Amino acid sequence: DTAVSQTPKYLVTQMGNDKSIKCEQNLGHDTMYWYKQDSKKFLKIMFSYNNKELIINETVPNRFSPKSPDKAHLNLHINSLELGDSAVYFCASSQGHSYEQYFGPGTRLTVT
Amino acid sequence: GQQVMQIPQYQHVQEGEDFTTYCNSSTTLSNIQWYKQRPGGHPVFLIQLVKSGEVKKQKRLTFQFGEAKKNSSLHITATQTTDVGTYFCAAGAGSYQLTFGKGTKLSVIP
Repeated sequence: DTAVSQTPKYLVTQMGNDKSIKCEQNLGHDTMYWYKQDSKKFLKIMFSYNNKELIINETVPNRFSPKSPDKAHLNLHINSLELGDSAVYFCASSQGHSYEQYFGPGTRLTVT
Repeated sequence: GQQVMQIPQYQHVQEGEDFTTYCNSSTTLSNIQWYKQRPGGHPVFLIQLVKSGEVKKQKRLTFQFGEAKKNSSLHITATQTTDVGTYFCAAGAGSYQLTFGKGTKLSVIP
């Protein structure tokens, strides 16, 4: 069983569209994250949720909205996609914020 | 916010040579983690260091945490082609997040 899964793996869409990326973890962790990795491979945290509550909301455009329906899921909805949103988005989870994080396989988003 | 400097950004080594990447922070850290990301893959947790001066080994990999808990290093002895990837340090400073370094991309020439 995959510990942290994301769908879709690839997402190609046009500017101005709205899209969602889903993430699920079956590790029983209480903390989940969204990261953005750009073409230079820099990993930047976007959001962190602990027990379904937003803990960290880094400076990201409000076009990005995370939703956590339960502890095992953290979805990312993006409105009005822009070229600069093209990147790989990773979901991750951990048991508490000080412990190792388990990453999903990533979603490669390409905005044309 | 918390900043973590990781050097070098790139390293090309001949197979069998050693490799070291360094991570430095201007503030005292509560812990530091190391991750490896293979090309096309996702970051995978390697280890966590918590104590001042801590040294941990995993086969050919040696991880160190500085006495002042402001720096860390990852050393690989006798690199192999399977070591190829980007190595990230991730620093915890008591807040609700880890700050990732920019990574060191390791290439191994067979």
